[in-house]
Amino acid sequence: AQSVTQLDSHVSVSEGTPVLLRCNYSSSYSPSLFWYVQHPNKGLQLLLKYTSAATLVKGINGFEAEFKKSETSFHLTKPSAHMSDAAEYFCVVSDQSSGGSNYKLTFGKGTLLTVNP
Amino acid sequence: GAGVSQTPSNKVTEKGKYVELRCDPISGHTALYWYRQSLGQGPEFLIYFQGTGAADDSGLPNDRFFAVRPEGSVSTLKIQRTERGDSAVYLCASSLRALGQGTVRDTQYFGPGTRLTVL
Repeated sequence: AQSVTQLDSHVSVSEGTPVLLRCNYSSSYSPSLFWYVQHPNKGLQLLLKYTSAATLVKGINGFEAEFKKSETSFHLTKPSAHMSDAAEYFCVVSDQSSGGSNYKLTFGKGTLLTVNP
Repeated sequence: GAGVSQTPSNKVTEKGKYVELRCDPISGHTALYWYRQSLGQGPEFLIYFQGTGAADDSGLPNDRFFAVRPEGSVSTLKIQRTERGDSAVYLCASSLRALGQGTVRDTQYFGPGTRLTVL
């Protein structure tokens, strides 16, 4: 079975300071890992994904995440927060436990990012 | 190009009524997924279609929930005898994944969701 734990339900930063959103996962197989962002009244948007290639993954809008197998972590970072980054962020895992295919996404509970001026 | 669309965006109904939620996937996407997002939670998987058939419906909570995709494009999620606990945002996603290509890790593109409120 696969699962995801987002360690913070709410993170607040000042504009221009670094962002760190923490995620730990559990998977019995080689997982694919994703970060999605959800702005109010908008659909989920993929920020980045890890699928067993490079462990440091770069995404859109300056975000990146590092896959650390030994720590079962996939934390999301950004060097400098922008006001437009304020949103809900979801860490997501999928693996081949679903009958050999990895279509089933398992979401964390989300981290609400607030950016203060 | 057009993304995944869902209608209606909001649906308010009374306990015991029947509702239908519609999803239009991205053109050419053969895989379609339904998720449910309750307040303060992440989305939870309900059902996955590959083409016209439901390849995995293990996430449907009970037999009041049913989904169809008769022509392999538009899908409808149907909920009978709605209960207050069914209130949530219902999300639809689609991906390119096609049968026979093995474990292709296709990105799922999500629609804006339908907010269902059962009074």
